[in-house]
Amino acid sequence: AQRVTQPEKLLSVFKGAPVELKCNYSYSGSPELFWYVQYSRQRLQLLLRHISRESIKGFTADLNKGETSFHLKKPFAQEEDSAMYYCALAGGSSNTGKLIFGQGTTLQVKP
Amino acid sequence: NAGVTQTPKFRILKIGQSMTLQCAQDMNHNYMYWYRQDPGMGLKLIYYSVGAGITDKGEVPNGYNVSRSTTEDFPLRLELAAPSQTSVYFCASSYPPGSYNEQFFGPGTRLTVL
Repeated sequence: AQRVTQPEKLLSVFKGAPVELKCNYSYSGSPELFWYVQYSRQRLQLLLRHISRESIKGFTADLNKGETSFHLKKPFAQEEDSAMYYCALAGGSSNTGKLIFGQGTTLQVKP
Repeated sequence: NAGVTQTPKFRILKIGQSMTLQCAQDMNHNYMYWYRQDPGMGLKLIYYSVGAGITDKGEVPNGYNVSRSTTEDFPLRLELAAPSQTSVYFCASSYPPGSYNEQFFGPGTRLTVL
Protein backbone atom coordinates (compact mmCIF):
# COMPACT_ATOMS: atom_id res chain seq x y z
CA ALA A 1 0.00 0.00 0.00
CA GLN A 2 1.10 3.54 -0.68
CA ARG A 3 1.68 5.42 2.51
CA VAL A 4 3.54 8.42 3.91
CA THR A 5 4.49 8.53 7.56
CA GLN A 6 5.66 11.55 9.52
CA PRO A 7 6.37 10.20 12.98
CA GLU A 8 6.53 13.53 14.81
CA LYS A 9 3.42 15.63 15.36
CA LEU A 10 5.44 18.44 16.90
CA LEU A 11 9.07 19.38 16.65
CA SER A 12 10.25 22.21 18.85
CA VAL A 13 13.74 23.69 18.48
CA PHE A 14 15.53 26.88 19.37
CA LYS A 15 16.52 29.44 16.79
CA GLY A 16 19.83 28.54 15.21
CA ALA A 17 19.54 24.84 15.97
CA PRO A 18 19.51 22.23 13.20
CA VAL A 19 16.18 20.86 12.08
CA GLU A 20 15.25 17.48 10.66
CA LEU A 21 11.64 16.65 9.88
CA LYS A 22 11.27 12.97 9.20
CA CYS A 23 9.32 11.40 6.37
CA ASN A 24 9.12 7.74 5.42
CA TYR A 25 7.17 6.35 2.53
CA SER A 26 5.88 3.09 1.18
CA TYR A 27 5.62 2.83 -2.60
CA SER A 28 6.32 0.04 -5.02
CA GLY A 29 7.47 2.11 -7.99
CA SER A 30 9.74 5.11 -8.43
CA PRO A 31 8.45 7.69 -5.97
CA GLU A 32 7.89 11.35 -6.63
CA LEU A 33 8.13 13.13 -3.30
CA PHE A 34 7.38 16.65 -2.18
CA TRP A 35 7.40 18.80 0.90
CA TYR A 36 4.50 21.23 1.34
CA VAL A 37 4.36 23.93 4.00
CA GLN A 38 1.52 25.83 5.60
CA TYR A 39 2.49 29.00 7.45
CA SER A 40 0.04 30.52 9.89
CA ARG A 41 -2.93 32.06 8.08
CA GLN A 42 -1.48 31.18 4.69
CA ARG A 43 -2.27 28.59 2.06
CA LEU A 44 -0.61 25.27 1.77
CA GLN A 45 2.22 25.68 -0.72
CA LEU A 46 4.95 23.64 -2.28
CA LEU A 47 8.30 23.95 -0.52
CA LEU A 48 10.42 21.60 -2.58
CA ARG A 49 10.34 18.50 -4.77
CA HIS A 50 12.90 15.73 -4.77
CA ILE A 51 13.36 15.71 -8.52
CA SER A 52 14.71 19.25 -8.47
CA ARG A 53 17.36 18.57 -5.83
CA GLU A 54 16.96 22.18 -4.82
CA SER A 55 17.40 24.17 -1.64
CA ILE A 56 14.52 26.43 -0.75
CA LYS A 57 14.70 28.83 2.19
CA GLY A 58 17.72 26.86 3.37
CA PHE A 59 15.82 23.56 3.42
CA THR A 60 16.99 20.46 1.59
CA ALA A 61 15.62 16.95 1.32
CA ASP A 62 17.35 13.89 -0.04
CA LEU A 63 15.54 10.86 -1.29
CA ASN A 64 16.98 7.70 0.25
CA LYS A 65 15.45 4.76 -1.57
CA GLY A 66 17.21 2.23 0.63
CA GLU A 67 15.65 3.63 3.77
CA THR A 68 12.50 4.82 1.93
CA SER A 69 12.93 8.23 3.49
CA PHE A 70 12.72 11.84 2.40
CA HIS A 71 13.70 13.82 5.48
CA LEU A 72 13.63 17.62 5.39
CA LYS A 73 16.67 19.35 6.84
CA LYS A 74 17.88 22.82 7.64
CA PRO A 75 21.18 23.53 9.39
CA PHE A 76 20.04 26.65 11.28
CA ALA A 77 16.36 27.14 12.09
CA GLN A 78 14.79 30.58 11.96
CA GLU A 79 11.66 31.75 13.77
CA GLU A 80 9.93 32.30 10.42
CA ASP A 81 10.29 28.58 9.71
CA SER A 82 7.58 27.87 12.26
CA ALA A 83 4.79 26.19 10.30
CA MET A 84 3.07 22.91 9.52
CA TYR A 85 5.07 20.72 7.16
CA TYR A 86 3.61 17.92 5.07
CA CYS A 87 5.49 15.27 3.18
CA ALA A 88 3.62 14.06 0.10
CA LEU A 89 3.94 11.24 -2.39
CA ALA A 90 2.60 11.34 -5.93
CA GLY A 91 0.76 8.06 -6.06
CA GLY A 92 -1.71 6.28 -8.27
CA SER A 93 -1.22 3.86 -11.11
CA SER A 94 -2.29 6.38 -13.72
CA ASN A 95 -0.99 9.86 -14.26
CA THR A 96 -3.59 11.59 -12.13
CA GLY A 97 -1.36 13.75 -9.98
CA LYS A 98 -2.98 12.46 -6.82
CA LEU A 99 -0.97 13.20 -3.71
CA ILE A 100 -0.78 11.06 -0.60
CA PHE A 101 0.03 13.22 2.39
CA GLY A 102 1.65 12.36 5.67
CA GLN A 103 0.07 13.36 8.94
CA GLY A 104 2.05 16.58 9.11
CA THR A 105 4.63 17.91 11.55
CA THR A 106 4.32 21.23 13.32
CA LEU A 107 7.69 22.93 13.55
CA GLN A 108 7.99 25.41 16.37
CA VAL A 109 11.14 27.54 16.42
CA LYS A 110 11.62 29.27 19.73
CA PRO A 111 13.60 32.51 20.07
CA ASN B 1 -4.61 36.07 -11.03
CA ALA B 2 -6.67 35.10 -8.03
CA GLY B 3 -5.38 31.52 -8.19
CA VAL B 4 -7.66 29.05 -6.41
CA THR B 5 -10.61 30.57 -4.60
CA GLN B 6 -12.99 28.86 -2.19
CA THR B 7 -16.29 29.94 -0.68
CA PRO B 8 -17.47 30.10 2.01
CA LYS B 9 -14.56 30.50 4.44
CA PHE B 10 -16.57 29.19 7.37
CA ARG B 11 -19.86 27.38 7.74
CA ILE B 12 -21.83 25.72 10.48
CA LEU B 13 -24.34 23.09 9.44
CA LYS B 14 -26.89 21.09 11.33
CA ILE B 15 -26.94 17.33 10.98
CA GLY B 16 -28.82 16.35 7.83
CA GLN B 17 -28.46 19.69 6.07
CA SER B 18 -26.83 19.95 2.69
CA MET B 19 -24.46 22.46 1.19
CA THR B 20 -22.07 23.06 -1.67
CA LEU B 21 -18.49 24.15 -1.21
CA GLN B 22 -17.40 26.24 -4.13
CA CYS B 23 -14.00 26.11 -5.75
CA ALA B 24 -12.75 28.03 -8.76
CA GLN B 25 -9.39 28.56 -10.41
CA ASP B 26 -8.27 30.99 -13.08
CA MET B 27 -5.02 29.30 -14.11
CA ASN B 28 -6.58 27.11 -16.81
CA HIS B 29 -5.58 23.98 -14.92
CA ASN B 30 -7.15 20.76 -16.10
CA TYR B 31 -6.56 18.89 -12.87
CA MET B 32 -8.48 19.74 -9.70
CA TYR B 33 -8.70 18.08 -6.30
CA TRP B 34 -10.68 18.18 -3.08
CA TYR B 35 -8.98 17.30 0.21
CA ARG B 36 -10.11 17.30 3.80
CA GLN B 37 -7.72 18.11 6.61
CA ASP B 38 -8.28 16.63 10.04
CA PRO B 39 -5.97 17.21 13.02
CA GLY B 40 -3.24 14.60 13.18
CA MET B 41 -4.47 12.92 10.00
CA GLY B 42 -2.96 15.06 7.28
CA LEU B 43 -4.86 15.68 4.08
CA LYS B 44 -7.07 13.02 2.57
CA LEU B 45 -8.21 13.12 -1.05
CA ILE B 46 -12.00 13.17 -1.44
CA TYR B 47 -12.49 13.52 -5.20
CA TYR B 48 -10.45 14.66 -8.14
CA SER B 49 -10.98 15.65 -11.75
CA VAL B 50 -8.65 15.48 -14.73
CA GLY B 51 -10.78 17.72 -16.90
CA ALA B 52 -14.25 19.07 -17.50
CA GLY B 53 -16.81 16.28 -17.35
CA ILE B 54 -14.39 13.79 -15.75
CA THR B 55 -14.35 13.08 -12.04
CA ASP B 56 -13.22 10.19 -9.88
CA LYS B 57 -13.20 9.12 -6.26
CA GLY B 58 -10.28 9.61 -3.97
CA GLU B 59 -9.55 7.97 -0.65
CA VAL B 60 -12.55 9.24 1.34
CA PRO B 61 -15.47 9.94 -1.06
CA ASN B 62 -18.39 8.70 1.06
CA GLY B 63 -20.92 11.42 1.85
CA TYR B 64 -19.71 13.73 -0.92
CA ASN B 65 -20.40 14.39 -4.57
CA VAL B 66 -18.70 16.51 -7.19
CA SER B 67 -19.28 17.81 -10.66
CA ARG B 68 -17.02 19.46 -13.21
CA SER B 69 -18.97 21.24 -15.91
CA THR B 70 -16.26 23.78 -16.68
CA THR B 71 -12.48 23.89 -16.47
CA GLU B 72 -12.66 26.66 -13.88
CA ASP B 73 -15.14 25.27 -11.33
CA PHE B 74 -15.14 22.16 -9.17
CA PRO B 75 -17.89 22.28 -6.50
CA LEU B 76 -18.11 19.75 -3.68
CA ARG B 77 -21.56 18.76 -2.48
CA LEU B 78 -22.49 17.43 0.96
CA GLU B 79 -25.98 15.97 0.81
CA LEU B 80 -26.68 14.87 4.40
CA ALA B 81 -24.18 16.50 6.70
CA ALA B 82 -22.84 14.39 9.55
CA PRO B 83 -20.59 15.33 12.49
CA SER B 84 -17.83 13.20 10.94
CA GLN B 85 -17.67 15.72 8.10
CA THR B 86 -16.50 18.46 10.42
CA SER B 87 -13.18 19.36 8.88
CA VAL B 88 -11.24 21.89 6.89
CA TYR B 89 -11.71 21.41 3.16
CA PHE B 90 -9.08 22.38 0.62
CA CYS B 91 -9.42 22.60 -3.11
CA ALA B 92 -6.33 22.42 -5.30
CA SER B 93 -5.48 22.54 -8.97
CA SER B 94 -2.53 21.70 -11.19
CA TYR B 95 -1.30 21.31 -14.73
CA PRO B 96 -1.11 17.75 -16.03
CA PRO B 97 1.14 15.95 -13.58
CA GLY B 98 4.75 15.18 -14.21
CA SER B 99 7.92 15.13 -12.23
CA TYR B 100 7.64 18.86 -11.62
CA ASN B 101 4.01 18.71 -10.64
CA GLU B 102 2.85 21.38 -8.20
CA GLN B 103 -0.59 21.64 -6.76
CA PHE B 104 -1.93 25.09 -5.98
CA PHE B 105 -4.21 25.25 -2.98
CA GLY B 106 -7.13 27.43 -2.04
CA PRO B 107 -7.46 29.08 1.37
CA GLY B 108 -9.78 26.40 2.71
CA THR B 109 -13.33 26.16 4.07
CA ARG B 110 -13.78 25.37 7.74
CA LEU B 111 -16.96 23.35 8.18
CA THR B 112 -18.57 22.41 11.47
CA VAL B 113 -21.51 20.00 11.62
CA LEU B 114 -23.50 20.08 14.85
